Formats: sequence, structure tokens, C-alpha cells
Amino acid sequence: AQTVTQSQPEMSVQEAETVTLSCTYDTSESDYYLFWYKQPPSRQMILVIRQEAYKQQNATENRFSVNFQKAAKSFSLKISDSQLGDAAMYFCAYDFGGGGADGLTFGKGTHLIIQP
Amino acid sequence: GAVVSQHPSWVICKSGTSVKIECRSLDFQATTMFWYRQFPKQSLMLMATSNEGSKATYEQGVEKDKFLINHASLTLSTLTVTSAHPEDSSFYICSVEGFNEQFFGPGTRLTVL
Repeated sequence: AQTVTQSQPEMSVQEAETVTLSCTYDTSESDYYLFWYKQPPSRQMILVIRQEAYKQQNATENRFSVNFQKAAKSFSLKISDSQLGDAAMYFCAYDFGGGGADGLTFGKGTHLIIQP
Repeated sequence: GAVVSQHPSWVICKSGTSVKIECRSLDFQATTMFWYRQFPKQSLMLMATSNEGSKATYEQGVEKDKFLINHASLTLSTLTVTSAHPEDSSFYICSVEGFNEQFFGPGTRLTVL
């Protein structure tokens, strides 16, 4: 079974600074997808960024980028120029990409606090 | 992307009663939807996969007779919590898979008294 581990229950960063959230996962598959989701107090899940395992290039979305290390099974999220609106729970998630529809396996989450 | 709605957004019921939660895909035909449960200050846990026109598949430890899932059309899946008990109080979230990602509904908060 796949597992996703987020070892930082809470992180705090000053506004405008950069923060990195860690995620490791365990799988025996070679084809899969990894995601970072943001869950603000409204509890609506919002996709932040997605990485296909077969792509060596790290995904980026504006201020958000990932460091994907497939051999190490590591998938960290870097948030640059942190903004107050970035404060939320962040979940790392895994999706087996071998065809068919699969549910996501989530990590326990990291609570990100932005200090003004 | 797909737009997903859930109804109701919040429901309170008495212990022993049944509650139905609807998940609708508003602009995308979904052959597969997923149901997750999130307890306070915890992560999302996959409960079951809802398949249009066939039986749902449940994750290990989830009682299929307690959490009834019906996916009668490409736009609607329902989750019925039967004989609800206080320990079923949780946040229930559905999602639709499309374009190699999942689109989540806004969630339903269930409180069982």
C-alpha cells in the first residue's frame, strides 16, 4: 500500500519570505501522480500543483514550485514571497497513474502560518 | 476543470436516523466519484469509490452496509449514512476525477446528536 508522510505538523514563515514543506512517499509503482492541495478554513480543497512521476522537470505554478526527487521518493513544496492568503493546511497526495480511476492517498498535512 | 457541488453543506441529525448527502458534477460527466471523510484536525481518508451504474468499492475498514453509495447517473452520487451515531460525525467530501486530477466538492459537515 502507498503511504504519504508529512513530517511537519506546523510551519511558520514571515510574509514575503520563502518556506518549504516536506513530503515523502512510499510506492512500488513507477507511474503515478503527486499533488499538493491547500485547504483554507472554508475546507474547500484547492489544487496547488501537480507532478507526473515520468516527468523529470519540476512543476512550477507562479510562486509555487516543487522539488521532486523520484529516487528518494521526496516531493517538497516551495512557496516563494509568502502572502497572508497562503495561510492554510497543505496536504501532499499520491495517485497511482496506472490507468483506471483511483482515489488519493493523503499525508497528515502541514499547517502553514504566515506572520505579518 | 470540473465544478462539484454537495448538498447539504451542514446537517444535524439524531442518533439512529439516516442521512443522505448528494454530490453533483455540474459540468462534467463523471463515471467515477470518490467519497472521503475528514475528522477534525485530521487528513482526508478515502472511504469508497463510486462507479456509475455499478456497485461502489469500499476501502478496508469502511462498512458498506452503513455507508450506502448510489451513483445512478453521470452527474450524481449519493452517500447515505444509515443508523448514524455520534462517532459518524465528520466532514464528508466528494470528488470527481478528470484531466488527471481530482476536483473536490465543498464538503458536508455531519453532526450526529
